[in-house]
Amino acid sequence: DAGVIQSPRHEVTEMGQEVTLRCKPISGHNSLFWYRQTMMRGLELLIYFNNNVPIDDSGMPEDRFSAKMPNASFSTLKIQPSEPRDSAVYFCASTVGANYGYTFGSGTRLTVV
Amino acid sequence: QKEVEQNSGPLSVPEGAIASLNCTYSDRGSQSFFWYRQYSGKSPELIMSIYSNGDKEDGRFTAQLNKASQYVSLLIRDSQPSDSATYLCAVNNYGGSQGNLIFGKGTKLSVKP
Repeated sequence: DAGVIQSPRHEVTEMGQEVTLRCKPISGHNSLFWYRQTMMRGLELLIYFNNNVPIDDSGMPEDRFSAKMPNASFSTLKIQPSEPRDSAVYFCASTVGANYGYTFGSGTRLTVV
Repeated sequence: QKEVEQNSGPLSVPEGAIASLNCTYSDRGSQSFFWYRQYSGKSPELIMSIYSNGDKEDGRFTAQLNKASQYVSLLIRDSQPSDSATYLCAVNNYGGSQGNLIFGKGTKLSVKP
């Protein structure tokens, strides 16, 4: 099992540019979560999908953020336009059910300059 | 606003001692509780889950749950320098669609040789 796979591992971009983060969940996991982690705010849930359907996107900070899950094996989180305050580590996680806990990917460290 | 509270630390213990990490949560309906370990620069890793009041032991780790007091703890016996990490408490969001986990901000543990 390859685990949850995220790409890229690191992203440095200029303010105003579009950023796309990618995630491949563990095969058979039907729930996928996008989290953002900063020192100040800890792990914040941005959005989660169940069976490819967005269930709760109330954590998405603003319209600049969007997420898609076109199929069971792929999800994207897009920021357009990016701003310096978006700098953080973005984690994707998947699970077969919340009672089983989540498996996290290695994360994408995003720096917006 | 459902919350999970942890002492941010750092908690410093000598090698071989017992480390005690604590967590309180606000949602009385929560049913599932997890402890994650996160090494610096790495992703959170699930180490313990607990669902019923009482103790659950796994090797050097013991999770304790008291739903009446809305309190979860993690004991690490015979602490080793390799246990130095940030420990995140997570609680399921009872009532949330499909259920998602709410994370505390973590307690940083330092085990001194």
